Amino acid sequence: DVKVTQSSRYLVKRTGEKVFLECVQDMDHENMFWYRQDPGLGLRLIYFSYDVKMKEKGDIPEGYSVSREKKERFSLILESASTNQTSMYLCASKTYRTSGSIHEQFFGPGTRLTVL
Amino acid sequence: QKEVEQDPGPLSVPEGAIVSLNCTYSNSAFQYFMWYRQYSRKGPELLMYTYSSGNKEDGRFTAQVDKSSKYISLFIRDSQPSDSATYLCAMSAGTDSWGKFQFGAGTQVVVTP
Repeated sequence: DVKVTQSSRYLVKRTGEKVFLECVQDMDHENMFWYRQDPGLGLRLIYFSYDVKMKEKGDIPEGYSVSREKKERFSLILESASTNQTSMYLCASKTYRTSGSIHEQFFGPGTRLTVL
Repeated sequence: QKEVEQDPGPLSVPEGAIVSLNCTYSNSAFQYFMWYRQYSRKGPELLMYTYSSGNKEDGRFTAQVDKSSKYISLFIRDSQPSDSATYLCAMSAGTDSWGKFQFGAGTQVVVTP
């Protein structure tokens, strides 16, 4: 069974803290994504990665950075957390091999982050 | 203006009714159209996908795409309480876009027994 796991389901941090969100996939997927999900706004892409050590900005990268040192792991970093970064964070992975489900992104369960 | 517009609902229907969901979009480059279902406190999971215009049926679910109107729909027949979830439409320009999708805001559906 395919799986994307995220390090925490719930996280509470203080303004100014550095926050690490971890995502691991076991499907040998090339592409990985970080989204945030807010009511009425849907899923907005923060960053994505198409290979190890490769990253591209999504639609809302400000205040975030990412790291992909290994194929299976994609980390989202909030350098200095702010209250407007309180949100649900979702990680996803996808393959571009034609033998796979090239139009399907597999999502983790999400991390609900609260910044006080 | 957002690239993909979707009414957030909530949409409440009695068990057995037909659920009708839709999204509109502005980017004519979109070719792949997906519907994801998201249960409470879970990540979204793919329900159906369609390439270009036309209809696709899978059990109680039917997806329709009208590219000329930039409008997609999802119909759920004989709705069940287990269909209560948020349904998100997603769109992609194709395999040369690194698999990036544009998602709608999601429509919350509640099916009452």
